[in-house]
Amino acid sequence: DAKTTQPNSMESNEEEPVHLPCNHSTISGTDYIHWYRQLPSQGPEYVIHGLTSNVNNRMASLAIAEDRKSSTLILHRATLRDAAVYYCIPIRTGDKVIFGPGTSLSVIP
Amino acid sequence: KAGVTQTPRYLIKTRGQQVTLSCSPISGHRSVSWYQQTPGQGLQFLFEYFSETQRNKGNFPGRFSGRQFSNSRSEMNVSTLELGDSALYLCASSLAGVSTNTGELFFGEGSRLTVL
Repeated sequence: DAKTTQPNSMESNEEEPVHLPCNHSTISGTDYIHWYRQLPSQGPEYVIHGLTSNVNNRMASLAIAEDRKSSTLILHRATLRDAAVYYCIPIRTGDKVIFGPGTSLSVIP
Repeated sequence: KAGVTQTPRYLIKTRGQQVTLSCSPISGHRSVSWYQQTPGQGLQFLFEYFSETQRNKGNFPGRFSGRQFSNSRSEMNVSTLELGDSALYLCASSLAGVSTNTGELFFGEGSRLTVL
């Protein structure tokens, strides 16, 4: 299983960009990098995933380092609804999903 | 379309009892995976079922078991409940399963179990 390291917590001002880092130095070449987030009192929800190149969707952008040992989830304009725990998860075909402690993001009005 | 439905949402049991939790996946999804979430251990993978077969299992004792029916609905059972089993139990459904690493997981809201 690839191990991940994320900051325990981060703060952002509302309407400013947020960069959430994740280190996954033991990732293998075929592991996809997934990001999920969990809002208070809810189950986790999918945010984005990628393999090598940067990815964008309506929720966020994912920037993956060239060596794939780290990635950054980018929220372009943080809103109060983005306050959640964000999980970075390398997923390997045939393997189970391992959630780390994640990063608790606070958004300040 | 309807999301993942978990029942019951809340339940209270006493030590030694057993409990069965149910998960109805999104229509068309064949994979259901289960997770335990506690403040101390975070989110931990229990097992995954795909087309009625267990495809992967986490590091939990044999008291934790599950099954999947032909309509993809899944149940998990915990026997001989212990205080430490108090947790939020989440299930997630997906088209091809967690073992297909490009797939998106859709989570239910969870069943909160309290063991007294």
